[in-house]
Amino acid sequence: SADLTQDPVVSVALGQTARITCQGASLRSYYASWYQQKPGQAPVLVLYGRNTRPSGIPDRFSGSRSGNTASLTITGSQAEDEADYYCQCRDSTGNHLAFGTGTKVTVL
Amino acid sequence: QVQLVQSGPELKTPGASVKLSCKTSGFSFIDYHIAWVRQAPGQGLEYMGWISPYNGNTNYAPNLQGRVSLTTDTSTSTAYMELKSLTSDDTAIYYCTRWVTGMNYYFDYWAQGTLVVVSS
Repeated sequence: SADLTQDPVVSVALGQTARITCQGASLRSYYASWYQQKPGQAPVLVLYGRNTRPSGIPDRFSGSRSGNTASLTITGSQAEDEADYYCQCRDSTGNHLAFGTGTKVTVL
Repeated sequence: QVQLVQSGPELKTPGASVKLSCKTSGFSFIDYHIAWVRQAPGQGLEYMGWISPYNGNTNYAPNLQGRVSLTTDTSTSTAYMELKSLTSDDTAIYYCTRWVTGMNYYFDYWAQGTLVVVSS
């Protein structure tokens, strides 16, 4: 089974809030980072640490953590937010890195 | 500006090896780890391993241990990934990425990716 699990699909109405979750044991000890990937493109870092956005990432992207679950929230979803999102952290052993299973966000 | 540029697409037969390059610029090469990530067609991201150009330390994903080898050339700020004993399951886009470590851990810059097709 995967070390970091995500819901396969999240659908959100335009302008509404989407919440993407990532579950895994390592998340109790480490923060996740989050990546957005659009078709045919390389992933792009959108969030890391407690709740830090790289330069150029809109402030509608935010993060949180509770227990073994990390969350990426998109407040006021836009059409351009439609993409695959991956969390990343250490694996359950803590010795290697791992990616989440990925969530496809559809903006209706 | 920070750039990572990978070598071109590869077509390999089963059992062969492939070696990809990742030429970096715009930052101090020895101050950051370089990681490799791959993505099979229609699938998610898979961590392969990382290397520290500073001291050559490496970490490999357990499922690839023994088949993957990461190296660097600090004189040209280039990282390399070699994967041996290829099978059709290794058909994927391979990415190199800069891994930031410290208080937080994340991949902040990614190369464009290299398509590797393994087919007889």
